Amino acid sequence: AQTVTQSQPEMSVQEAETVTLSCTYDTSESNYYLFWYKQPPSRQMILVIRQEAYKQQNATENRFSVNFQKAAKSFSLKISDSQLGDTAMYFCAFTPLTGTASKLTFGTGTRLQVTL
Amino acid sequence: NAGVTQTPKFQVLKTGQSMTLQCAQDMNHNSMYWYRQDPGMGLRLIYYSASEGTTDKGEVPNGYNVSRLNKREFSLRLESAAPSQTSVYFCASSFQSRGYTFGSGTRLTVV
Repeated sequence: AQTVTQSQPEMSVQEAETVTLSCTYDTSESNYYLFWYKQPPSRQMILVIRQEAYKQQNATENRFSVNFQKAAKSFSLKISDSQLGDTAMYFCAFTPLTGTASKLTFGTGTRLQVTL
Repeated sequence: NAGVTQTPKFQVLKTGQSMTLQCAQDMNHNSMYWYRQDPGMGLRLIYYSASEGTTDKGEVPNGYNVSRLNKREFSLRLESAAPSQTSVYFCASSFQSRGYTFGSGTRLTVV
């Protein structure tokens, strides 16, 4: 069974600063996807970034980037130039490529507060 | 707009009552899922359907049943609601592993 661990329940960052959210996972699979989802107060789950395990290059989406360390099973999210709209819960998630359905396993989330 | 539609958005039930949460997607995705979200526990998989005509248990299936009515629709039923089922429920769909789309969630309170 896969597990995803987010060890930071809450974090705070000032506007325009950079913050890194941590995520580790445990799996015996060799091919899988990793995701970061954002959940603002509206409750909607919004995909922030996706990483394929077979790609060594770290994924980047505008101000969001990841540090993917496959051997260490680590997948951290870096948010640059933080904005007030980044205030949300952030969930790390994992899915293996095996099987007919790609079930997501989520971490417990990190609540990020961006302050002035 | 294309996406996943869940109904209702809010519901209050009394212990022992039954209800069905509806979910429909219009993206022609094969797989559909039901998750529940509880404080401090992330999202946990209740049931999923890999394709039309199949359903399987997830991590926390007790107290729930599902029906994959057709390729578009996947419903979740609580036969006898319990306070422990107070949660936010999300439906999602996917095509292979690359892309998931979530509904906007249902906040259910069982009193």
